[in-house]
Amino acid sequence: GAVVSQHPSWVICKSGTSVKIECRSLDFQATTMFWYRQFPKQSLMLMATSNEGSKATYEQGVEKDKFLINHASLTLSTLTVTSAHPEDSSFYICSARAPEGRANYGYTFGSGTRLTVV
Amino acid sequence: SQELEQSPQSLIVQEGKNLTINCTSSKTLYGLYWYKQKYGEGLIFLMMLQKGGEEKSHEKITAKLDEKKQQSSLHITASQPSHAGIYLCGAGDTGRRALTFGSGTRLQVQP
Repeated sequence: GAVVSQHPSWVICKSGTSVKIECRSLDFQATTMFWYRQFPKQSLMLMATSNEGSKATYEQGVEKDKFLINHASLTLSTLTVTSAHPEDSSFYICSARAPEGRANYGYTFGSGTRLTVV
Repeated sequence: SQELEQSPQSLIVQEGKNLTINCTSSKTLYGLYWYKQKYGEGLIFLMMLQKGGEEKSHEKITAKLDEKKQQSSLHITASQPSHAGIYLCGAGDTGRRALTFGSGTRLQVQP
């Protein structure tokens, strides 16, 4: 039970354009989702907590206007990287809190999106 | 905030050898998660420990949480090339918040 689908799995975009990444809970409702960023050979760094129906909570140092998060429904959170630049190239992973008793003690992860900005 | 330190950062072992990865927390752990990640892919859940002194095993992987709940170890017995990857420990807290991850351990198993 408790599957999260993340799309796209990879994307290449030009500098200055915006890219949207979707994180969708397939068989449960997720009031809270999390967005992580991972640089090569490094760990996952939490970017923001996405709350359904309210504003996202961003971690210190993460630009809200750069990384727009929308969680308009109980099954979908989106991360939009606006005016992307090469330094935004990274691996982005979403995670969702699943109901108690499902999905590995409460956390389930998407398969990640590799963003390359050229 | 919770900080997790993992050691070693990287590890190269010969196939068939045993190995241990450690995860140390600056605070009491309320839930310690172990994941495996292939480069550029999502996380594979391995185990979750919650009680002091708890130990869990799955196939050739054993994870332990110390009595003080500030340190966890992941032990792989008779390693195989399929064990290669990045091992991450993650910690939750008493609230419904995101997991905080350690720096990761990159494991290579040489045939």
